[in-house]
Amino acid sequence: NAGVMQNPRHLVRRRGQEARLRCSPMKGHSHVYWYRQLPEEGLKFMVYLQKENIIDESGMPKERFSAEFPKEGPSILRIQQVVRGDSAAYFCASSPLLAPGTTQYFGPGTRLLVL
Amino acid sequence: DQQVKQNSPSLSVQEGRISILNCDYTNSMFDYFLWYKKYPAEGPTFLISISSIKDKNEDGRFTVFLNKSAKHLSLHIVPSQPGDSAVYFCAASDNSGGSNYKLTFGKGTLLTVNP
Repeated sequence: NAGVMQNPRHLVRRRGQEARLRCSPMKGHSHVYWYRQLPEEGLKFMVYLQKENIIDESGMPKERFSAEFPKEGPSILRIQQVVRGDSAAYFCASSPLLAPGTTQYFGPGTRLLVL
Repeated sequence: DQQVKQNSPSLSVQEGRISILNCDYTNSMFDYFLWYKKYPAEGPTFLISISSIKDKNEDGRFTVFLNKSAKHLSLHIVPSQPGDSAVYFCAASDNSGGSNYKLTFGKGTLLTVNP
Protein backbone atom coordinates (compact mmCIF):
# COMPACT_ATOMS: atom_id res chain seq x y z
CA ASN A 1 0.00 0.00 0.00
CA ALA A 2 1.69 3.16 -1.20
CA GLY A 3 1.94 5.98 1.26
CA VAL A 4 0.99 9.59 0.76
CA MET A 5 2.66 10.91 -2.35
CA GLN A 6 3.65 14.48 -3.00
CA ASN A 7 5.20 16.09 -6.03
CA PRO A 8 7.30 17.80 -6.84
CA ARG A 9 9.66 17.13 -3.95
CA HIS A 10 11.51 20.37 -4.63
CA LEU A 11 10.20 23.44 -6.40
CA VAL A 12 12.04 26.65 -7.21
CA ARG A 13 10.07 29.72 -8.23
CA ARG A 14 10.88 33.35 -8.79
CA ARG A 15 8.90 36.02 -7.02
CA GLY A 16 5.56 36.59 -8.72
CA GLN A 17 5.30 33.11 -10.25
CA GLU A 18 2.75 30.48 -9.35
CA ALA A 19 3.48 27.32 -7.39
CA ARG A 20 1.35 24.18 -7.67
CA LEU A 21 1.88 21.42 -5.14
CA ARG A 22 0.21 18.04 -5.58
CA CYS A 23 -0.77 15.42 -3.06
CA SER A 24 -2.16 11.93 -3.59
CA PRO A 25 -3.54 10.47 -0.36
CA MET A 26 -3.10 6.89 0.71
CA LYS A 27 -5.46 4.45 -0.96
CA GLY A 28 -8.78 4.44 0.81
CA HIS A 29 -8.19 7.79 2.50
CA SER A 30 -10.73 10.48 1.77
CA HIS A 31 -9.51 13.17 4.15
CA VAL A 32 -6.59 15.39 3.18
CA TYR A 33 -4.77 18.00 5.25
CA TRP A 34 -2.08 20.48 4.30
CA TYR A 35 0.53 21.78 6.72
CA ARG A 36 3.36 24.26 6.28
CA GLN A 37 6.68 24.20 8.07
CA LEU A 38 8.67 27.41 8.04
CA PRO A 39 12.40 27.20 8.88
CA GLU A 40 13.03 26.43 12.55
CA GLU A 41 9.30 26.05 13.22
CA GLY A 42 6.85 23.25 13.78
CA LEU A 43 4.23 22.25 11.25
CA LYS A 44 1.22 24.54 11.06
CA PHE A 45 -2.22 23.48 9.88
CA MET A 46 -3.41 25.16 6.71
CA VAL A 47 -6.47 23.41 5.31
CA TYR A 48 -8.62 20.28 5.56
CA LEU A 49 -10.38 18.91 2.50
CA GLN A 50 -12.59 16.05 1.53
CA LYS A 51 -13.41 15.14 -2.07
CA GLU A 52 -14.78 18.29 -3.77
CA ASN A 53 -15.17 20.08 -0.44
CA ILE A 54 -13.07 22.46 1.61
CA ILE A 55 -13.99 21.71 5.21
CA ASP A 56 -11.69 24.07 7.09
CA GLU A 57 -9.30 26.60 5.58
CA SER A 58 -8.76 28.59 8.75
CA GLY A 59 -4.99 28.18 8.55
CA MET A 60 -4.64 29.42 5.00
CA PRO A 61 -3.34 32.92 4.32
CA LYS A 62 -6.24 35.04 3.12
CA GLU A 63 -4.70 35.93 -0.20
CA ARG A 64 -2.82 34.06 -2.92
CA PHE A 65 -3.35 30.59 -1.41
CA SER A 66 -6.01 28.14 -2.51
CA ALA A 67 -6.56 24.40 -2.25
CA GLU A 68 -8.76 21.85 -3.93
CA PHE A 69 -9.40 18.12 -3.84
CA PRO A 70 -11.30 17.23 -7.01
CA LYS A 71 -13.40 14.15 -7.52
CA GLU A 72 -10.65 12.69 -9.67
CA GLY A 73 -6.98 13.29 -9.20
CA PRO A 74 -4.73 14.62 -6.48
CA SER A 75 -5.28 17.45 -4.06
CA ILE A 76 -3.65 20.70 -5.22
CA LEU A 77 -2.26 23.51 -3.10
CA ARG A 78 -1.84 26.57 -5.27
CA ILE A 79 0.16 29.66 -4.36
CA GLN A 80 -0.17 32.60 -6.70
CA GLN A 81 2.39 35.40 -7.02
CA VAL A 82 4.82 33.75 -4.64
CA VAL A 83 6.97 35.85 -2.31
CA ARG A 84 10.17 34.95 -0.48
CA GLY A 85 8.22 34.38 2.73
CA ASP A 86 6.41 31.47 1.08
CA SER A 87 9.66 29.48 1.09
CA ALA A 88 8.91 26.52 3.32
CA ALA A 89 8.24 22.80 3.39
CA TYR A 90 4.63 21.95 2.60
CA PHE A 91 3.36 18.64 3.90
CA CYS A 92 0.22 16.83 2.97
CA ALA A 93 -1.38 14.25 5.25
CA SER A 94 -4.33 11.92 4.85
CA SER A 95 -6.57 9.80 7.02
CA PRO A 96 -9.21 7.15 6.30
CA LEU A 97 -11.91 8.73 8.42
CA LEU A 98 -12.50 11.55 10.81
CA ALA A 99 -12.79 10.42 14.38
CA PRO A 100 -11.12 11.34 17.62
CA GLY A 101 -7.67 9.90 17.66
CA THR A 102 -7.46 9.16 13.95
CA THR A 103 -3.86 9.15 12.89
CA GLN A 104 -2.81 11.38 10.03
CA TYR A 105 -0.21 9.92 7.67
CA PHE A 106 2.18 12.40 6.14
CA GLY A 107 3.81 12.58 2.75
CA PRO A 108 7.47 13.46 2.19
CA GLY A 109 6.72 17.12 1.60
CA THR A 110 7.43 19.66 -1.12
CA ARG A 111 10.23 22.08 -0.41
CA LEU A 112 9.44 25.39 -2.04
CA LEU A 113 12.19 27.92 -2.56
CA VAL A 114 11.28 31.37 -3.80
CA LEU A 115 14.16 33.33 -5.29
CA ASP B 1 1.14 32.00 20.47
CA GLN B 2 2.95 28.71 20.97
CA GLN B 3 0.33 26.32 22.34
CA VAL B 4 2.65 23.30 22.20
CA LYS B 5 6.18 23.84 23.40
CA GLN B 6 9.24 21.67 23.13
CA ASN B 7 11.79 23.63 25.07
CA SER B 8 14.80 21.51 24.25
CA PRO B 9 15.90 22.03 20.65
CA SER B 10 18.29 19.11 20.90
CA LEU B 11 19.18 16.09 23.03
CA SER B 12 22.15 13.77 22.86
CA VAL B 13 22.24 10.32 24.51
CA GLN B 14 24.38 7.22 24.41
CA GLU B 15 23.20 4.09 22.67
CA GLY B 16 21.42 1.78 25.11
CA ARG B 17 20.46 4.58 27.50
CA ILE B 18 17.05 6.16 27.95
CA SER B 19 15.99 9.17 25.88
CA ILE B 20 13.40 11.47 27.45
CA LEU B 21 11.78 14.08 25.26
CA ASN B 22 9.52 16.64 26.88
CA CYS B 23 6.54 18.64 25.71
CA ASP B 24 4.35 21.23 27.42
CA TYR B 25 1.04 22.62 26.27
CA THR B 26 -1.04 25.62 27.27
CA ASN B 27 -4.44 24.88 25.73
CA SER B 28 -6.51 23.00 28.31
CA MET B 29 -8.90 21.88 25.55
CA PHE B 30 -6.28 19.57 24.05
CA ASP B 31 -7.28 16.00 24.79
CA TYR B 32 -5.30 13.92 22.35
CA PHE B 33 -1.56 13.93 21.97
CA LEU B 34 0.78 12.40 19.43
CA TRP B 35 4.48 12.02 18.83
CA TYR B 36 5.89 12.05 15.33
CA LYS B 37 9.43 11.28 14.23
CA LYS B 38 10.98 12.99 11.26
CA TYR B 39 14.12 12.22 9.30
CA PRO B 40 15.69 14.90 7.07
CA ALA B 41 13.93 15.33 3.71
CA GLU B 42 11.08 13.06 4.78
CA GLY B 43 7.63 13.62 6.20
CA PRO B 44 6.74 13.06 9.85
CA THR B 45 6.05 9.44 10.78
CA PHE B 46 3.53 8.62 13.50
CA LEU B 47 5.09 7.02 16.58
CA ILE B 48 2.68 6.85 19.45
CA SER B 49 -0.32 8.67 20.86
CA ILE B 50 -2.22 9.09 24.09
CA SER B 51 -5.70 10.19 24.98
CA SER B 52 -6.27 12.48 27.94
CA ILE B 53 -8.20 9.75 29.73
CA LYS B 54 -4.93 7.87 30.16
CA ASP B 55 -1.68 8.80 31.80
CA LYS B 56 0.55 6.27 30.07
CA ASN B 57 0.73 4.44 26.77
CA GLU B 58 3.42 1.97 25.81
CA ASP B 59 4.45 0.51 22.47
CA GLY B 60 7.63 -1.49 22.45
CA ARG B 61 10.58 0.76 23.26
CA PHE B 62 8.37 3.87 23.26
CA THR B 63 6.31 5.07 26.20
CA VAL B 64 4.40 8.31 26.45
CA PHE B 65 3.44 9.78 29.81
CA LEU B 66 0.79 12.43 30.26
CA ASN B 67 0.46 14.70 33.29
CA LYS B 68 -2.73 16.67 32.69
CA SER B 69 -2.50 18.80 35.80
CA ALA B 70 0.93 20.01 34.73
CA LYS B 71 -0.02 20.10 31.04
CA HIS B 72 3.07 18.10 30.33
CA LEU B 73 3.88 14.98 28.39
CA SER B 74 7.04 13.09 27.75
CA LEU B 75 8.26 10.41 25.37
CA HIS B 76 10.63 7.79 26.73
CA ILE B 77 12.70 5.66 24.40
CA VAL B 78 14.52 2.76 25.99
CA PRO B 79 16.93 1.47 25.00
CA SER B 80 17.91 4.20 22.57
CA GLN B 81 19.39 3.13 19.24
CA PRO B 82 21.39 5.10 16.65
CA GLY B 83 18.48 4.69 14.21
CA ASP B 84 16.33 6.70 16.62
CA SER B 85 18.34 9.82 15.71
CA ALA B 86 15.77 12.19 14.21
CA VAL B 87 13.63 15.20 15.02
CA TYR B 88 10.73 14.38 17.31
CA PHE B 89 7.57 16.46 17.17
CA CYS B 90 4.93 16.61 19.83
CA ALA B 91 1.43 17.36 18.53
CA ALA B 92 -1.97 17.89 20.13
CA SER B 93 -5.59 18.15 19.09
CA ASP B 94 -8.91 19.19 20.61
CA ASN B 95 -11.50 16.47 20.00
CA SER B 96 -14.35 18.22 21.73
CA GLY B 97 -14.96 21.13 19.42
CA GLY B 98 -15.36 19.35 16.10
CA SER B 99 -11.88 20.24 14.85
CA ASN B 100 -10.05 17.16 16.02
CA TYR B 101 -8.27 16.98 12.65
CA LYS B 102 -6.31 20.16 13.39
CA LEU B 103 -2.98 19.08 14.84
CA THR B 104 -0.94 21.71 16.68
CA PHE B 105 2.77 20.91 16.59
CA GLY B 106 5.72 21.89 18.72
CA LYS B 107 8.96 23.03 17.08
CA GLY B 108 10.61 19.66 17.55
CA THR B 109 13.58 18.22 19.41
CA LEU B 110 16.57 16.83 17.53
CA LEU B 111 17.60 13.57 19.16
CA THR B 112 21.09 12.24 18.50
CA VAL B 113 21.92 8.75 19.73
CA ASN B 114 25.64 8.16 19.81
CA PRO B 115 27.03 4.65 19.25
